[in-house]
Amino acid sequence: SQQGEEDPQALSIQEGENATMNCSYKTSINNLQWYRQNSGRGLVHLILIRSNEREKHSGRLRVTLDTSKKSSSLLITASRAADTASYFCATDPTTDSWGKLQFGAGTQVVVTP
Amino acid sequence: DAGITQSPRYKITETGRQVTLMCHQTWSHSYMFWYRQDLGHGLRLIYYSAAADITDKGEVPDGYVVSRSKTENFPLTLESATRSQTSVYFCASSESVTSRGGQPQHFGDGTRLSIL
Repeated sequence: SQQGEEDPQALSIQEGENATMNCSYKTSINNLQWYRQNSGRGLVHLILIRSNEREKHSGRLRVTLDTSKKSSSLLITASRAADTASYFCATDPTTDSWGKLQFGAGTQVVVTP
Repeated sequence: DAGITQSPRYKITETGRQVTLMCHQTWSHSYMFWYRQDLGHGLRLIYYSAAADITDKGEVPDGYVVSRSKTENFPLTLESATRSQTSVYFCASSESVTSRGGQPQHFGDGTRLSIL
């Protein structure tokens, strides 16, 4: 079952602009994680936010979590061409063994110079 | 170098054949995972392992077999390959998940498997 669903499915922006993508999920979670995948490569972990946290920052990345709405957002500020990738949210549901992440289908981001 | 490596990177085989995908990590992580990635489905968990000799099914385990005799290796075997198993397979590892905090997973670069 696909727990997280990202929105939009695709996003095209210019360098310097901000990119925002959202993730909605269905069941209670221990934590939510965001990953990046460049074409032909494996996923790279970006940020983990726990269920008792509301916001986290890492460099140009900002993640928010609203457990009442079962949603999260990833903001990339001042985007660069190197940010072109697919971005996935993954949830760690409380109803299942810890560590068994459930991934969404991803948001494909294209940043043009 | 430390990391997680998958082999082969590309594999073409025929239906009915047995094929094994290899995964090796150098971090001594307790947890290891196998996912498949298909268009429109994101990543789906096939099997995972919490430690050597401890494995459990994920969301889509049918047609797959795993073993974990050593902490660093987690091979995935398709016993009799079918065309529906054509996919990109990713192996991942993480440190022990012992609290509600969770742990990030570290991924290999995948094996692109085509079954004709």
